[in-house]
Amino acid sequence: QQPVQSPQAVILREGEDAVINCSSSKALYSVHWYRQKHGEAPVFLMILLKGGEQKGHEKISASFNEKKQQSSLYLTASQLSYSGTYFCGTENPSGTYKYIFGTGTRLKVLA
Amino acid sequence: NAGVTQTPKFRVLKTGQSMTLLCAQDMNHEYMYWYRQDPGMGLRLIHYSVGEGTTAKGEVPDGYNVSRLKKQNFLLGLESAAPSQTSVYFCASSDLGLAGGRQTGELFFGEGSRLTVL
Repeated sequence: QQPVQSPQAVILREGEDAVINCSSSKALYSVHWYRQKHGEAPVFLMILLKGGEQKGHEKISASFNEKKQQSSLYLTASQLSYSGTYFCGTENPSGTYKYIFGTGTRLKVLA
Repeated sequence: NAGVTQTPKFRVLKTGQSMTLLCAQDMNHEYMYWYRQDPGMGLRLIHYSVGEGTTAKGEVPDGYNVSRLKKQNFLLGLESAAPSQTSVYFCASSDLGLAGGRQTGELFFGEGSRLTVL
């Protein structure tokens, strides 16, 4: 039931763009995105609710398509500080407030 | 402005020993969670709580017990530690968020507790 993220890992040069996808086999009501730097705790980036709205944070934005049960995170003009592991998170679709995370995507930005 | 505090931050146990990890939050959040993260892996939910006095199983609950006697504290116990429980443990808390009935509140994480079982 864990949401699946793709790609598993990506390496970029500074200034390049990247897209990280999060797919669920079950209905999604909301999706959160987090970034975790090595040796640190995950940090919240943004939340997307039903309705397909797109949100932004710095040069990072995301979309949510509840019909396709997918969310995508867009990193534009990547910076060295974007390096880390990105996780999507969502409440278990059964509505029991069981909050689970996706498989994760490791992002490395090179100078 | 402590947020979520985990203690201890590091611990080494021998197989069969028991221990308790304490998570404390000062944001008056209803929901609290315990996750484990193995090297290069994602976050797996162990147990969670939707309010004082309640607990529920997550994805990987075996070998762990939890208690939430006070709203601000969520304890994770290992009764008989095994090497497979070597991991980094993260506690998190959140409130319900804006969309009532659905979990929309962001999770605030503690710094993590690194546990090694020999």
